Parts: sequence; structure tokens; C-alpha cells
Amino acid sequence: GENVEQHPSTLSVQEGDSAVIKCTYSDSASNYFPWYKQELGKGPQLIIDIRSNVGEKKDQRIAVTLNKTAKHFSLHITETQPEDSAVYFCAAAGPGGSYIPTFGRGTSLIVHP
Amino acid sequence: DAGVIQSPRHEVTEMGQEVTLRCKPISGHNSLFWYRQTMMRGLELLIYFNNNVPIDDSGMPEDRFSAKMPNASFSTLKIQPSEPRDSAVYFCASSPGAFGNTIYFGEGSWLTVV
Repeated sequence: GENVEQHPSTLSVQEGDSAVIKCTYSDSASNYFPWYKQELGKGPQLIIDIRSNVGEKKDQRIAVTLNKTAKHFSLHITETQPEDSAVYFCAAAGPGGSYIPTFGRGTSLIVHP
Repeated sequence: DAGVIQSPRHEVTEMGQEVTLRCKPISGHNSLFWYRQTMMRGLELLIYFNNNVPIDDSGMPEDRFSAKMPNASFSTLKIQPSEPRDSAVYFCASSPGAFGNTIYFGEGSWLTVV
């Protein structure tokens, strides 16, 4: 089955800095890569996703890049704000019988004012 | 849209007691998932249903866990008997079902077994 590794487990930045979270996956058939944000006491919510037919996708201050050859993808948050503080999960999903995403272990992002 | 609704939000129970967690998926979604979240294991998929039918329950940790979906708008996850190691946050989630669709999570049920 799919295996998703996520790094770092904790990331601390100053407000206004950029934050980068990296994930690798094992199944070359995976072709859908969502990112979820989990705020304290809440369930994860989708913030951005990318499919394997594109290498990069942006939505305001967040962007995701995908390198299918190397089987890794990254989340980039620019101009971080305190409200970006949360746990971020990457995931990978593919065809071939199971479209259910496999989640990474999560990255706790702390943005210091 | 009310989102995925879970109950109870918090439960504290004694070891050996039966625990029932409830979920109402988003109307029109035909896939439903139960996840467990702990510090040690992260987000684990326990079971998922498609059109009310259990498709994969390989994530259910042991026979003490069972899940049902009697209709499209209701599902339960039951633990009997409960043990302290079952303490975790249990999330229900739903999805329209087709590949690449967003999975929508509920707010979670925080379970503590003492």
C-alpha cells in the first residue's frame, strides 16, 4: 500500500516568514495529493490539492509543488500569519481500487507574532 | 450546509463500558469514513462505507470495534468493551465518493477511557 512520509514534524517561524512542509510517497500510481489543515479542537479541512498532471498550484499565500519523478510534494506558505498556526497533513491517493488518501503524520506549524 | 455532524463531542467512560459514537454525513455524500487520531499513530483509517456498505474494515483494530451504517444519513462506531488505550479523537468524514473528491471531516469525538 501507499506510504506517506512528512517532514518536519514541528515547524516554528516568525510572522511574515515563509514555511515549507515536505512529503514523499511510495506508490508511483498515486496521482492526487491533497493538503489538510487542522486547527485546535477541530477536524482537518482541505486547503489545497494538486493532481499529477500539473507541477504547481497556487492559491493566494499557499502553493503546492509536485515532483512525480522523485515522488515528493511540498506545501509552501508565504507571509505567514499567526492564524496559520495549525497542524498540516499531506496525503496521497491513487486509482487502482482505492482512492482513499493515505495521510502523513502531520506538521505542527507555529507562527510567532 | 451543516457539515458532518458527530456526537458526542466529548466522552469520558470507565474501562469495560460500551461506547457508541454517532455520525451524520453530509447529505448526498455516498462515502463515509471513520478515522482515529492519536499522537502515536496519527490519523488512522478504521473503516469506510460506500453506499452504506462496508468496503474496507482492515483498519479496525480488533473485534471490540464495530461500525454500522443502517442508512445514508447515519453511522455508528461502537467499542465494547472499552479500554484505556482506546482513548483518542475519533473522526467521521464523508465524501461525494468519486476519486479525487474532498473528504469532509466532522469536529471529532474526544474519547477518554479511564
